[in-house]
Amino acid sequence: RKEVEQDPGPFNVPEGATVAFNCTYSNSASQSFFWYRQDCRKEPKLLMSVYSSGNEDGRFTAQLNRASQYISLLIRDSKLSDSATYLCVVNFYYNTDKLIFGTGTRLQVFP
Amino acid sequence: DTGVSQDPRHKITKRGQNVTFRCDPISEHNRLYWYRQTLGQGPEFLTYFQNEAQLEKSRLLSDRFSAERPKGSFSTLEIQRTEQGDSAMYLCASSTPTTASTDTQYFGPGTRLTVL
Repeated sequence: RKEVEQDPGPFNVPEGATVAFNCTYSNSASQSFFWYRQDCRKEPKLLMSVYSSGNEDGRFTAQLNRASQYISLLIRDSKLSDSATYLCVVNFYYNTDKLIFGTGTRLQVFP
Repeated sequence: DTGVSQDPRHKITKRGQNVTFRCDPISEHNRLYWYRQTLGQGPEFLTYFQNEAQLEKSRLLSDRFSAERPKGSFSTLEIQRTEQGDSAMYLCASSTPTTASTDTQYFGPGTRLTVL
């Protein structure tokens, strides 16, 4: 079983749609959780951290369910510029900043 | 540009040759990470430095791979006797300690290695 699992997609959605991505992680002792965005042939960039109480940043909402070891990302009112791969990222351990990445979920927003 | 920089951006080499990549972190960042990303996969951790000390190495980092950060600033990643399976994007990231449980890592543009 992979340490961080995501549906690779692609998710093809029209502009204005709401789309949700899910991610599960294997280590119940995981400490920190993130969503990174990666454009084609570019480096990953931090989209948002994910907090236990859930958090929102504009059109993006992230949720964490520690009991189910599950993380989600909701994108509302999708824009063409949201087309990218969204990487679910987990930090498993204390005293290390080693990040464990999922394979990514590809999103394509069409006009 | 004050972000993480990597050099070269692209490298094509023949199997069996040695290659070396360089990473310059954001200037005030004391932590530096190397990751490898193959097509269709997320980045995989290779190794991590705090200042000049190499604190963690992945089992992915075989004895053909060596990384250094001699003065706690830039870092080099060398691959000896390259194999076709080494073809990947090699990403460098840097961070600085904060009060958060995990520091934000900022990635460089990567070095794309193709081994023929």
